[in-house]
Amino acid sequence: EPEVTQTPSHQVTQMGQEVILRCVPISNHLYFYWYRQILGQKVEFLVSFYNNEISEKSEIFDDQFSVERPDGSNFTLKIRSTKLEDSAMYFCASSEGVGRKILNEQFFGPGTRLTVL
Amino acid sequence: QQQVKQSPQSLIVQKGGISIINCAYENTAFDYFPWYQQFPGKGPALLIAIRPDVSEKKEGRFTISFNKSAKQFSLHIMDSQPGDSATYFCAASNAGNMLTFGGGTRLMVKP
Repeated sequence: EPEVTQTPSHQVTQMGQEVILRCVPISNHLYFYWYRQILGQKVEFLVSFYNNEISEKSEIFDDQFSVERPDGSNFTLKIRSTKLEDSAMYFCASSEGVGRKILNEQFFGPGTRLTVL
Repeated sequence: QQQVKQSPQSLIVQKGGISIINCAYENTAFDYFPWYQQFPGKGPALLIAIRPDVSEKKEGRFTISFNKSAKQFSLHIMDSQPGDSATYFCAASNAGNMLTFGGGTRLMVKP
Protein backbone atom coordinates (compact mmCIF):
# COMPACT_ATOMS: atom_id res chain seq x y z
CA GLU A 1 0.00 0.00 0.00
CA PRO A 2 1.43 3.42 -0.91
CA GLU A 3 2.45 5.56 2.03
CA VAL A 4 3.93 8.92 2.89
CA THR A 5 7.54 8.69 4.01
CA GLN A 6 9.55 11.22 6.01
CA THR A 7 13.22 11.70 6.77
CA PRO A 8 14.91 11.93 9.12
CA SER A 9 12.91 10.24 11.84
CA HIS A 10 14.68 12.33 14.49
CA GLN A 11 16.60 15.58 14.07
CA VAL A 12 18.51 17.27 16.86
CA THR A 13 19.71 20.81 16.25
CA GLN A 14 21.06 23.80 18.08
CA MET A 15 18.90 26.89 18.51
CA GLY A 16 19.40 29.27 15.60
CA GLN A 17 20.37 26.58 13.12
CA GLU A 18 18.49 25.83 9.93
CA VAL A 19 16.79 22.49 9.47
CA ILE A 20 15.18 20.86 6.47
CA LEU A 21 12.61 18.16 6.96
CA ARG A 22 11.89 15.92 4.01
CA CYS A 23 8.80 14.12 2.85
CA VAL A 24 7.92 11.91 -0.08
CA PRO A 25 4.14 12.10 -0.57
CA ILE A 26 2.10 9.35 -2.17
CA SER A 27 2.96 9.42 -5.85
CA ASN A 28 -0.35 10.37 -7.46
CA HIS A 29 -1.32 12.91 -4.82
CA LEU A 30 -1.50 16.57 -5.70
CA TYR A 31 -2.00 18.26 -2.33
CA PHE A 32 0.63 18.36 0.37
CA TYR A 33 0.54 19.50 3.95
CA TRP A 34 2.72 20.00 6.97
CA TYR A 35 1.39 19.68 10.50
CA ARG A 36 3.12 19.72 13.83
CA GLN A 37 2.39 18.17 17.18
CA ILE A 38 4.05 19.45 20.32
CA LEU A 39 4.50 16.60 22.78
CA GLY A 40 1.20 15.65 24.38
CA GLN A 41 -0.79 18.24 22.46
CA LYS A 42 -3.05 18.21 19.44
CA VAL A 43 -1.98 18.17 15.83
CA GLU A 44 -1.77 21.70 14.37
CA PHE A 45 -1.91 22.70 10.72
CA LEU A 46 1.07 24.60 9.34
CA VAL A 47 0.72 24.87 5.58
CA SER A 48 -0.85 23.36 2.48
CA PHE A 49 0.72 23.29 -0.96
CA TYR A 50 -0.74 22.74 -4.41
CA ASN A 51 0.56 23.32 -7.90
CA ASN A 52 3.90 24.56 -6.61
CA GLU A 53 2.50 27.23 -4.38
CA ILE A 54 1.19 27.65 -0.87
CA SER A 55 -2.59 27.46 -0.83
CA GLU A 56 -3.15 28.02 2.88
CA LYS A 57 -1.04 28.66 5.95
CA SER A 58 -1.60 29.09 9.66
CA GLU A 59 -0.35 31.77 12.04
CA ILE A 60 2.37 29.36 13.14
CA PHE A 61 3.84 29.36 9.63
CA ASP A 62 5.75 32.64 9.89
CA ASP A 63 8.73 33.96 7.92
CA GLN A 64 11.03 31.41 9.54
CA PHE A 65 9.24 28.62 7.70
CA SER A 66 9.26 27.79 4.02
CA VAL A 67 8.18 24.85 1.89
CA GLU A 68 9.42 23.60 -1.42
CA ARG A 69 8.87 20.83 -3.88
CA PRO A 70 12.38 20.72 -5.35
CA ASP A 71 11.67 17.80 -7.69
CA GLY A 72 8.80 15.54 -8.69
CA SER A 73 8.80 13.52 -5.50
CA ASN A 74 10.13 15.42 -2.48
CA PHE A 75 8.31 17.99 -0.39
CA THR A 76 10.39 19.85 2.16
CA LEU A 77 9.83 22.06 5.18
CA LYS A 78 12.64 24.45 6.07
CA ILE A 79 12.94 26.23 9.37
CA ARG A 80 15.48 29.01 8.92
CA SER A 81 16.51 29.76 12.47
CA THR A 82 15.16 27.24 14.92
CA LYS A 83 13.81 28.21 18.33
CA LEU A 84 13.36 26.05 21.41
CA GLU A 85 9.60 26.18 20.89
CA ASP A 86 9.96 24.60 17.45
CA SER A 87 10.65 21.28 19.18
CA ALA A 88 7.80 19.06 18.08
CA MET A 89 6.83 16.18 15.87
CA TYR A 90 6.38 17.35 12.29
CA PHE A 91 4.03 15.40 10.06
CA CYS A 92 3.76 15.56 6.33
CA ALA A 93 0.47 14.58 4.71
CA SER A 94 -0.85 14.29 1.19
CA SER A 95 -4.18 13.91 -0.52
CA GLU A 96 -5.48 13.21 -3.98
CA GLY A 97 -7.19 15.72 -6.16
CA VAL A 98 -9.05 15.92 -9.39
CA GLY A 99 -8.05 19.17 -10.99
CA ARG A 100 -8.49 21.78 -8.28
CA LYS A 101 -10.92 19.63 -6.33
CA ILE A 102 -9.34 18.02 -3.31
CA LEU A 103 -10.39 14.53 -2.36
CA ASN A 104 -10.54 14.96 1.35
CA GLU A 105 -8.65 12.02 2.79
CA GLN A 106 -5.27 13.12 4.05
CA PHE A 107 -2.66 10.45 4.61
CA PHE A 108 0.02 11.16 7.16
CA GLY A 109 3.64 10.15 7.28
CA PRO A 110 5.32 8.75 10.40
CA GLY A 111 6.72 12.14 11.38
CA THR A 112 10.07 13.72 12.14
CA ARG A 113 10.81 14.44 15.77
CA LEU A 114 12.64 17.78 15.91
CA THR A 115 14.54 18.57 19.08
CA VAL A 116 15.98 22.07 19.40
CA LEU A 117 18.61 22.46 22.12
CA GLN B 1 -14.73 29.49 15.30
CA GLN B 2 -12.11 27.18 13.85
CA GLN B 3 -11.93 25.12 17.03
CA VAL B 4 -12.97 21.52 17.40
CA LYS B 5 -13.57 20.51 21.00
CA GLN B 6 -13.06 16.88 21.97
CA SER B 7 -13.98 14.97 25.10
CA PRO B 8 -13.06 13.14 27.19
CA GLN B 9 -9.31 13.70 27.34
CA SER B 10 -8.81 10.15 28.54
CA LEU B 11 -10.97 7.06 28.67
CA ILE B 12 -10.57 3.66 30.25
CA VAL B 13 -12.81 0.87 28.99
CA GLN B 14 -12.94 -2.82 29.75
CA LYS B 15 -12.31 -5.27 26.94
CA GLY B 16 -15.57 -5.87 25.09
CA GLY B 17 -17.06 -2.57 26.17
CA ILE B 18 -18.10 0.42 24.08
CA SER B 19 -15.78 3.41 23.81
CA ILE B 20 -17.46 6.73 23.03
CA ILE B 21 -15.58 9.91 22.13
CA ASN B 22 -17.36 13.16 21.39
CA CYS B 23 -16.52 16.22 19.35
CA ALA B 24 -18.19 19.57 18.79
CA TYR B 25 -17.49 22.26 16.25
CA GLU B 26 -18.57 25.81 15.53
CA ASN B 27 -17.74 26.44 11.89
CA THR B 28 -20.78 25.48 9.80
CA ALA B 29 -18.60 25.54 6.68
CA PHE B 30 -16.93 22.31 7.77
CA ASP B 31 -18.01 19.53 5.44
CA TYR B 32 -15.72 16.64 6.23
CA PHE B 33 -15.20 15.00 9.61
CA PRO B 34 -12.52 12.32 9.94
CA TRP B 35 -11.31 10.39 12.93
CA TYR B 36 -7.65 9.55 13.25
CA GLN B 37 -5.99 6.91 15.40
CA GLN B 38 -2.47 7.51 16.61
CA PHE B 39 -0.15 5.05 18.31
CA PRO B 40 2.88 6.34 20.26
CA GLY B 41 5.66 7.47 17.96
CA LYS B 42 3.53 7.11 14.84
CA GLY B 43 1.65 9.45 12.57
CA PRO B 44 -2.13 9.78 12.71
CA ALA B 45 -3.85 7.10 10.64
CA LEU B 46 -7.26 7.73 9.10
CA LEU B 47 -9.82 5.50 10.77
CA ILE B 48 -13.19 6.56 9.45
CA ALA B 49 -14.74 9.75 8.11
CA ILE B 50 -18.18 11.20 7.51
CA ARG B 51 -19.74 14.02 5.54
CA PRO B 52 -22.71 16.03 6.87
CA ASP B 53 -25.22 14.57 4.43
CA VAL B 54 -25.46 11.37 6.49
CA SER B 55 -26.13 10.91 10.20
CA GLU B 56 -24.21 7.70 10.73
CA LYS B 57 -21.43 5.71 9.14
CA LYS B 58 -20.27 2.29 10.23
CA GLU B 59 -17.10 0.43 9.34
CA GLY B 60 -16.60 -2.79 11.24
CA ARG B 61 -16.51 -2.02 14.96
CA PHE B 62 -16.22 1.74 14.37
CA THR B 63 -19.24 4.01 13.96
CA ILE B 64 -19.47 7.77 13.54
CA SER B 65 -22.68 9.44 14.61
CA PHE B 66 -23.24 12.94 13.25
CA ASN B 67 -25.71 15.55 14.49
CA LYS B 68 -25.66 18.49 12.11
CA SER B 69 -28.11 20.66 14.04
CA ALA B 70 -26.12 20.26 17.26
CA LYS B 71 -22.79 20.53 15.43
CA GLN B 72 -21.57 17.41 17.16
CA PHE B 73 -20.17 14.10 16.08
CA SER B 74 -18.95 11.08 17.95
CA LEU B 75 -16.95 7.92 17.51
CA HIS B 76 -18.21 4.65 18.93
CA ILE B 77 -15.89 1.68 19.18
CA MET B 78 -17.88 -1.48 19.77
CA ASP B 79 -16.36 -4.55 21.43
CA SER B 80 -13.27 -2.53 22.37
CA GLN B 81 -10.03 -4.49 22.34
CA PRO B 82 -6.65 -3.88 24.03
CA GLY B 83 -5.22 -3.30 20.54
CA ASP B 84 -7.53 -0.28 20.24
CA SER B 85 -5.56 1.46 22.99
CA ALA B 86 -4.29 4.61 21.29
CA THR B 87 -4.96 8.32 21.05
CA TYR B 88 -7.94 9.27 18.92
CA PHE B 89 -8.33 12.63 17.25
CA CYS B 90 -11.42 14.01 15.62
CA ALA B 91 -10.90 16.60 12.94
CA ALA B 92 -12.85 18.76 10.54
CA SER B 93 -12.17 20.52 7.30
CA ASN B 94 -13.82 22.68 4.69
CA ALA B 95 -13.58 21.49 1.09
CA GLY B 96 -10.56 19.35 1.81
CA ASN B 97 -8.39 22.15 3.05
CA MET B 98 -6.55 22.24 6.34
CA LEU B 99 -7.65 19.78 8.99
CA THR B 100 -8.57 21.29 12.34
CA PHE B 101 -7.96 18.69 15.01
CA GLY B 102 -9.59 18.17 18.37
CA GLY B 103 -7.43 17.88 21.46
CA GLY B 104 -7.29 14.08 21.39
CA THR B 105 -8.56 11.29 23.61
CA ARG B 106 -6.21 8.77 25.10
CA LEU B 107 -8.05 5.46 25.15
CA MET B 108 -6.95 2.56 27.27
CA VAL B 109 -8.75 -0.76 26.91
CA LYS B 110 -8.14 -3.04 29.87
CA PRO B 111 -7.96 -6.78 29.23
